[in-house]
Amino acid sequence: NAGVTQTPKFQVLKTGQSMTLQCAQDMNHEYMSWYRQDPGMGLRLIHYSVGAGITDQGEVPNGYNVSRSTTEDFPLRLLSAAPSQTSVYFCASSPTNPPYEQYFGPGTRLTVT
Amino acid sequence: AQRVTQPEKLLSVFKGAPVELKCNYSYSGSPELFWYVQYSRQRLQLLLRHISRESIKGFTADLNKGETSFHLKKPFAQEEDSAMYYCALSGIQGAQKLVFGQGTRLTINP
Repeated sequence: NAGVTQTPKFQVLKTGQSMTLQCAQDMNHEYMSWYRQDPGMGLRLIHYSVGAGITDQGEVPNGYNVSRSTTEDFPLRLLSAAPSQTSVYFCASSPTNPPYEQYFGPGTRLTVT
Repeated sequence: AQRVTQPEKLLSVFKGAPVELKCNYSYSGSPELFWYVQYSRQRLQLLLRHISRESIKGFTADLNKGETSFHLKKPFAQEEDSAMYYCALSGIQGAQKLVFGQGTRLTINP
């Protein structure tokens, strides 16, 4: 199993550009989520999904969109990139039965200039 | 509101010395608490769950509801313990939504 995969690993955007961060998992997990990691702030939840077709907002959803058309994929879209979105983005998935461990992807380092 | 506080951004100890990474939480219900670790160039991964009451890589953590704490401890630090450690809380039993602390970077000096 590949686990949770994310592409790209690195990305540089100009202010106002849009892009999609890809996330896929092959563990048949129902729950998937996106976090951003910033120095001194830990990981903050952006959006999450409890299954295909169901998404909800986390702590910091502004400026981001998600969709969940399949169990495997959970892309994160930046609509109009801003320098405040410079961060490391992590995708995670989790089963719906105990012990509910979250499995993280390797991360995408995004810089917005 | 749910909140997790890790008061130390950086912690440096010598090899063989005891280690304690502090974690305090704020939650009105019955929380489920975790420690996640991120070693250099590796993914974030689960280290401990309080409900399991287990010891992983020599680390233990006890939930103290009176003090609302979930400190991570190891009696004798090893160099391979150097990493970023995050305390996390789930507010609903079995739910996967996590609130993370700010993280503590632990450095073990030889």
